[in-house]
Amino acid sequence: ETGVTQSPTHLIKTRGQQVTLRCSSQSGHNTVSWYQQALGQGPQFIFQYYREEENGRGNFPPRFSGLQFPNYSSELNVNALELDDSALYLCASSPGGTRYNEQFFGPGTRLTVL
Amino acid sequence: GENVEQHPSTLSVQEGDSAVIKCTYSDSASNYFPWYKQELGKRPQLIIDIRSNVGEKKDQRIAVTLNKTAKHFSLHITETQPEDSAVYFCAAKRSNYQLIWGAGTKLIIKP
Repeated sequence: ETGVTQSPTHLIKTRGQQVTLRCSSQSGHNTVSWYQQALGQGPQFIFQYYREEENGRGNFPPRFSGLQFPNYSSELNVNALELDDSALYLCASSPGGTRYNEQFFGPGTRLTVL
Repeated sequence: GENVEQHPSTLSVQEGDSAVIKCTYSDSASNYFPWYKQELGKRPQLIIDIRSNVGEKKDQRIAVTLNKTAKHFSLHITETQPEDSAVYFCAAKRSNYQLIWGAGTKLIIKP
């Protein structure tokens, strides 16, 4: 299953700017999770949305915020960008029912903060 | 909270040999244990998973074992091939909580 899409593919911003990343979930998946993956590290959980409500949050500051829309697509917003925000941002969607634990990832957005 | 440790960080095996990657977790309530493969510059892909009510699961050349008592689980790849070269991540999750990831193992298949 490879139906999760993300945009843009790459993005370059400067410190202090704001950025919005987008994710389109796989059809029928009502849960989306966002991760930050720094180079050479595993993904770090940012937050999860289920039916348009935040359903869990990792250890990230409030300047990381999100939205989920009625069609289950999602946005990740980061304000006041810092150099350390440079990373690959991944979203993952999950099917419901007995497969609610499974996560299927999009290709990611590579964010570079200068 | 949950903590997942993964070993080794790098594993180099001869093509055709077996590879084993091990993970331990701390939260005894964790009940879902997936393994992801991530090739350079690509998305993580779910390759196999196991739930806490099962001790072993196999899919062709890949198998995962779970020891709930010891709180560890392992990925076994047999008859390794060059296309198995990638970074492998283990993860653990309890119901309604986030997925906690290991630090990853870089698997190198030597021709």
